[in-house]
Amino acid sequence: AQSVSQHNHHVILSEAASLELGCNYSYGGTVNLFWYVQYPGQHLQLLLKYFSGDPLVKGIKGFEAEFIKSKFSFNLRKPSVQWSDTAEYFCAVISSASKIIFGSGTRLSIRP
Amino acid sequence: DVKVTQSSRYLVKRTGEKVFLECVQDMDHENMFWYRQDPGLGLRLIYFSYDVKMKEKGDIPEGYSVSREKKERFSLILESASTNQTSMYLCATSPGGMDTIYFGEGSWLTVV
Repeated sequence: AQSVSQHNHHVILSEAASLELGCNYSYGGTVNLFWYVQYPGQHLQLLLKYFSGDPLVKGIKGFEAEFIKSKFSFNLRKPSVQWSDTAEYFCAVISSASKIIFGSGTRLSIRP
Repeated sequence: DVKVTQSSRYLVKRTGEKVFLECVQDMDHENMFWYRQDPGLGLRLIYFSYDVKMKEKGDIPEGYSVSREKKERFSLILESASTNQTSMYLCATSPGGMDTIYFGEGSWLTVV
């Protein structure tokens, strides 16, 4: 079955630290990939997406992600986090049958 | 801006009650989805719909049904609520090309 794995359940960083959140998917065909963010008390918002082309995708708020097809990965990065990045982050894949599958989420806590 | 409106933010229902969760979108999107969000499990797809009167089971359809009589409205029905259905329910919508997904603010359901 198609799945999305986010191995980091809870990440704690200090402000200005660099961030990388892992996302791996299990599907061999063409995929569309997303990262969503959910700030405390708010609804899910799109950070960035990859459909084709340049595998390094830039999103909002300084986030970027790199699609590595050989590793079935789409990791999220940010060079310097801020306290306001405290949120839960979800990786998602659209695969066959146009089903949108989400990972279990990574909670990011930033120490001021 | 796309608006996805979930009629109830917070509900408390008794075991065995029939529960209706309503979702309305204003962007004429073909695709609509119902997810439940639980800590550590991410978003799990319950049902989705590509068109009026059309529905497809997601990953966890047991105990739920849906209705899509009009394009803009997608209802989730719990025929007989149980305590293990206590969760946050998220409605989402996307256009035909599924280039992104828009979420409602969620409905917190507690079954006692």
